[in-house]
Amino acid sequence: GAVVSQHPSWVICKSGTSVKIECRSLDFQATTMFWYRQFPKQSLMLMATSNEGSKATYEQGVEKDKFLINHASLTLSTLTVTSAHPEDSSFYICSASRTGGSEAFFGQGTRLTVV
Amino acid sequence: AQSVSQHNHHVILSEAASLELGCNYSYGGTVNLFWYVQYPGQHLQLLLKYFSGDPLVKGIKGFEAEFIKSKFSFNLRKPSVQWSDTAEYFCAALPYSGAGSYQLTFGKGTKLSVIP
Repeated sequence: GAVVSQHPSWVICKSGTSVKIECRSLDFQATTMFWYRQFPKQSLMLMATSNEGSKATYEQGVEKDKFLINHASLTLSTLTVTSAHPEDSSFYICSASRTGGSEAFFGQGTRLTVV
Repeated sequence: AQSVSQHNHHVILSEAASLELGCNYSYGGTVNLFWYVQYPGQHLQLLLKYFSGDPLVKGIKGFEAEFIKSKFSFNLRKPSVQWSDTAEYFCAALPYSGAGSYQLTFGKGTKLSVIP
């Protein structure tokens, strides 16, 4: 099956710093990638839709200036958490689907802890 | 807004017991339905999906799910669980738009613990 690789798997950073999370589709091209966030004991919540070569579409309530998304190529999308605060600590997961495909493939997730 | 409800937060079963995890969605139109599993320390993986046709869908590892349109339900079942089925299970729904986008709405997940 298709593989989506997310890096890093976990990261600890200080308040006020920025953290970049990468999402790569290793063996297929993905026009669209999705970024989700999961709080403990809660559902995955869609944060934004990342489109190659254009601006990301953010869900209501997600700060676009805080969560910067760049989809520079058909195999790479990045999420940068800027000026991180402890309340940004969460589990972030990306997914990608083949162009024209009907199944989403998920990365392994990134656990962010802001201290 | 569309929502997906999973009835149980944590289910504990002994090996060989039968499993049924409930999932209900709220969306009036055509909807695609999925069950994902996340084993400890691993990716989300697709267990099975329903797009159309036979409402009884068979997936990997002996899992199956039944789509009941009148009840807006898509319950996951397995006749006999194993210790290796210990994981978190997520139900998800996707309204059919035909536009090629892929925005899933997930339930909160059900943690399954199987006792040897």
